[in-house]
Amino acid sequence: NAGVMQNPRHLVRRRGQEARLRCSPVKGHSHVYWYRQLPEEGLKFMVYLQKENIIDESGMPKERFSAEFPKEGPSILRIQQVVRGDSAAYFCASSPGTGGSSPLHFGNGTRLTVT
Amino acid sequence: DAKTTQPPSMDCAEGRAANLPCNHSTISGNEYVYWYRQIHSQGPQYIIHGLKNNETNEMASLIITEDRKSSTLILPHATLRDTAVYYCIVRVPNRDDKIIFGKGTRLHILP
Repeated sequence: NAGVMQNPRHLVRRRGQEARLRCSPVKGHSHVYWYRQLPEEGLKFMVYLQKENIIDESGMPKERFSAEFPKEGPSILRIQQVVRGDSAAYFCASSPGTGGSSPLHFGNGTRLTVT
Repeated sequence: DAKTTQPPSMDCAEGRAANLPCNHSTISGNEYVYWYRQIHSQGPQYIIHGLKNNETNEMASLIITEDRKSSTLILPHATLRDTAVYYCIVRVPNRDDKIIFGKGTRLHILP
């Protein structure tokens, strides 16, 4: 998983606070994907972004969740007014471009705990 | 929804070859077959992918049947560190090419 950097690795928030998860893609990669994994469950797609554009947010909850991938800097997944059900591992992946021949490379995730 | 079918779990003795099957009977001609694995509490790790031909890299071999309706991932000499959930994924090469993970195969390497 070298290359995609996620921070923080662990994040603890109280109910009602905001959580900000950061993802720096592999150098040169312009496509970023966010996934969520609830405890003992599978990986669920949330959102797919290119630089400054959201391409597919079909897996993202309509409220409280937002994502961005600015021209400069990391991609940010923001969760406002967190609830206990938001406790999960959030994984980011990047790829150099579209096309089935470009693997996604994943980071080691941010584990969010809501108390 | 995932377009692949995998056994939920498999066992393999350490040092033996682990052969993980995957059915993808509805695969289209331009779709790639990808394999990832997730070792406990880590991010998914890319293993290998292919379109039509068999592929080999330092981690594994991918055997795709001639009709492309199924494939097998082969770990030639399994070690305890290969214990993980293995995901077989069919990937469409278009603009909206997110990966959809299924439930995968939980591979247990037995000492």
